[in-house]
Amino acid sequence: DAGVIQSPRHEVTEMGQEVTLRCKPISGHDYLFWYRQTMMRGLELLIYFNNNVPIDDSGMPEDRFSAKMPNASFSTLKIQPSEPRDSAVYFCASSFGVSSNEQYFGPGTRLTVT
Amino acid sequence: ILNVEQSPQSLHVQEGDSTNFTCSFPSSNFYALHWYRWETAKSPEALFVMTLNGDEKKKGRISATLNTKEGYSYLYIKGSQPEDSATYLCASYNNNDMRFGAGTRLTVKP
Repeated sequence: DAGVIQSPRHEVTEMGQEVTLRCKPISGHDYLFWYRQTMMRGLELLIYFNNNVPIDDSGMPEDRFSAKMPNASFSTLKIQPSEPRDSAVYFCASSFGVSSNEQYFGPGTRLTVT
Repeated sequence: ILNVEQSPQSLHVQEGDSTNFTCSFPSSNFYALHWYRWETAKSPEALFVMTLNGDEKKKGRISATLNTKEGYSYLYIKGSQPEDSATYLCASYNNNDMRFGAGTRLTVKP
């Protein structure tokens, strides 16, 4: 398996634009996680899915953020409208089971909102 | 859920030294404790997953222990090498809530 795949790797956009980040988890994993990493707040869990169903989205900062998982092999994190404070590295991770097995992280998407 | 705390925040050691650092986590409704190794410009890589009080795990020169009753885990590195330089993150699962610590940044000088 190629591991968790994220695209794009880098995204630069202007404030107010819509941004969509994509993730392909490892085949067979039943949990998918979206994280945001910033210097100030470290690594934060935004949302996670089990079998394509969102389980906990309490980490999603506000209504501008939304995530979907239409099938077992694809998930998106959308920010609309984007703001400069959304600039961060966004990681996707997948695992088999939520707590008793390690998560495998994707390479991340570095988002810059100007 | 209370925060997950890691100490020290950063650590500089000489090649060959052994070192250890701490992760403190809430002991109530505990499910699991994860350790990750995170090199600069890369993504976190899983080291250990521990669930039971008294668990000890080892991978090469790196080992970890778990005390769920008092809510702490130690990560040990024996004979540190420059390639061990990274940020070591722990994450605690409590009652379906997962929190990461801020990490311990380890620098091993040749």
